[in-house]
Amino acid sequence: ETGVTQTPRHLVMGMTNKKSLKCEQHLGHNAMYWYKQSAKKPLELMFVYNFKEQTENNSVPSRFSPECPNSSHLFLHLHTLQPEDSALYLCASSQDHSTGNSNQPQHFGDGTRLSIL
Amino acid sequence: DAKTTQPNSMESNEEEPVHLPCNHSTISGTDYIHWYRQLPSQGPEYVIHGLTSNVNNRMASLAIAEDRKSSTLILHRATLRDAAVYYCILRDSRNRDDKIIFGKGTRLHILP
Repeated sequence: ETGVTQTPRHLVMGMTNKKSLKCEQHLGHNAMYWYKQSAKKPLELMFVYNFKEQTENNSVPSRFSPECPNSSHLFLHLHTLQPEDSALYLCASSQDHSTGNSNQPQHFGDGTRLSIL
Repeated sequence: DAKTTQPNSMESNEEEPVHLPCNHSTISGTDYIHWYRQLPSQGPEYVIHGLTSNVNNRMASLAIAEDRKSSTLILHRATLRDAAVYYCILRDSRNRDDKIIFGKGTRLHILP
């Protein structure tokens, strides 16, 4: 079971399509994250939001556009993606950054498996 | 964050204890040791973390060397469901963010 839900679980899209990934958490957390997991590579942090404000963009190409309308929801808007963007995209949440406590566990969803044709 | 080194893969028999090692020779005094695992087709899940003393919870135990340059995650009685990639991660308590930098981890195979 997970308190972080990601939809869709699988997505196949062409390079010219526009789609969005959705993440929702019911844990009362105020920080949310997007990670990318490519085959045979470690998880890569993409974006961090804290209290709906983006606090980190880890040099992610502009064809990935995050949106955090409230602390419970996080979106990743996709447009004109490349074949190398095929990967598992994982969302996570944690309590928040305000206390400066970097030991709060992150809770992950099960990801969206994205395939670019 | 300081770097960790883990074996690429390990095997263990079902119903036996498993000891997953992690080396972190450049650990600083403010680094906590965290472990996550990722089961097939799932996102990572938190397992345990500690600073200096050994830690126990319902999932596992964490044994930390006296000099803190290495640690061991202990699964007391492995089941087939424990087959996963296990990540050992250092997180600096001085950091004001909650970033986690994942390495390649150890792929644990459980033999029935």
